Amino acid sequence: SQQGEEDPQALSIQEGENATMNCSYKTSINNLQWYRQNSGRGLVHLILIRSNEREKHSGRLRVTLDTSKKSSSLLITASRAADTASYFCATVRFFYGQNFVFGPGTRLSVLP
Amino acid sequence: SQTIHQWPATLVQPVGSPLSLECTVEGTSNPNLYWYRQAAGRGLQLLFYSVGIGQISSEVPQNLSASRPQDRQFILSSKKLLLSDSGFYLCAWRRYNEKLFFGSGTQLSVL
Repeated sequence: SQQGEEDPQALSIQEGENATMNCSYKTSINNLQWYRQNSGRGLVHLILIRSNEREKHSGRLRVTLDTSKKSSSLLITASRAADTASYFCATVRFFYGQNFVFGPGTRLSVLP
Repeated sequence: SQTIHQWPATLVQPVGSPLSLECTVEGTSNPNLYWYRQAAGRGLQLLFYSVGIGQISSEVPQNLSASRPQDRQFILSSKKLLLSDSGFYLCAWRRYNEKLFFGSGTQLSVL
């Protein structure tokens, strides 16, 4: 079954507001990553959090990881219209070959 | 710096026709290479991955095949396309870095 599941599936906010997206997963992981995808384009890596970390920041992004609940959240502060995109979490387990499993994503719309 | 090229950007093919999508990586050696498919508004499904020349692993049984004839070249093929093969195809690579780098994608429509 699919490893990562983001919620909400879609989120619409006003510019300047904060956006929070959540990701749940089912098995143990080595790290969890968040990616962004503009419509019709490839995915771009945003941030990585390791299984022994609880929180990480990068610019306006804040990621948390709770391994006991098998969940992660991505917070985008002071959102901008340019943040409009789909956001995916990917769980990573280190074994030969396949090790990235992506969730279905959250479509974020930031209204000016 | 490393770059990944994927082409074509869009493709419209009739049912039963062959397919060849190509992906090349520059600026690195011996990358892990991946082919993903994304249905409209959905997440990514891993199709194939490769850890070296001629080494291909398939994640799901399907109408597609992959080949890696050179270190930095990954090709996705089909002998006869089905309607269900329509989707957005993404190539990605990874080496020592823990993150994936994606190509710009190919939108395939099978009619």
